[in-house]
Amino acid sequence: EAGVTQFPSHSVIEKGQTVTLRCDPISGHDNLYWYRRVMGKEIKFLLHFVKESKQDESGMPNNRFLAERTGGTYSTLKVQPAELEDSGVYFCASSQGRQGALEQYFGPGTRLTVT
Amino acid sequence: GQSLEQPSEVTAVEGAIVQINCTYQTSGFYGLSWYQQHDGGAPTFLSYNALDGLEETGRFSSFLSRSDSYGYLLLQELQMKDSASYFCAASSGYSTLTFGKGTMLLVSP
Repeated sequence: EAGVTQFPSHSVIEKGQTVTLRCDPISGHDNLYWYRRVMGKEIKFLLHFVKESKQDESGMPNNRFLAERTGGTYSTLKVQPAELEDSGVYFCASSQGRQGALEQYFGPGTRLTVT
Repeated sequence: GQSLEQPSEVTAVEGAIVQINCTYQTSGFYGLSWYQQHDGGAPTFLSYNALDGLEETGRFSSFLSRSDSYGYLLLQELQMKDSASYFCAASSGYSTLTFGKGTMLLVSP
């Protein structure tokens, strides 16, 4: 069974540019989560999809971040325009079932550097 | 909101047993999970507790006491490959998982 995959693994962009991160969850997982880890800080929750619907987006930092999950399969996270403080590692995770929040499977992350 | 406290670093030798503690302050607490992360890679799920008591999964066990707002991860028969960061994470329900800052475990020969 394939795990959670994320693309790209690394992205270096200039301030003001746009970047789109992609996450492919484990097949059949309805829950999809985005997290971010800024250097030296803890992993922070961004948002949670159940199928194609946003269940909780309380962690999204501001309206420069837009997440979508077309057809309840893969998800994209767009940052537009990117700012220096957006640098960090963006993790995606997926899970299934009511205990889904407690047992999540993470992708390898996308390391975003904004210069 | 939720906050979690765990030690920043723990050291141990191969073959030993180590316990990583986690205390939490939360509203609407649902359960506690543990994740392992090697060198900034993908966090790997280890165990969770939705109920008080001990959950055993091979060499790893996790414990939760809701009355004490406390949990721990127990690693037995330590191996060099267990050197990694370990995170406790609390869930307030269906969605949000709040992570602690992580404990770096260093296993020496």
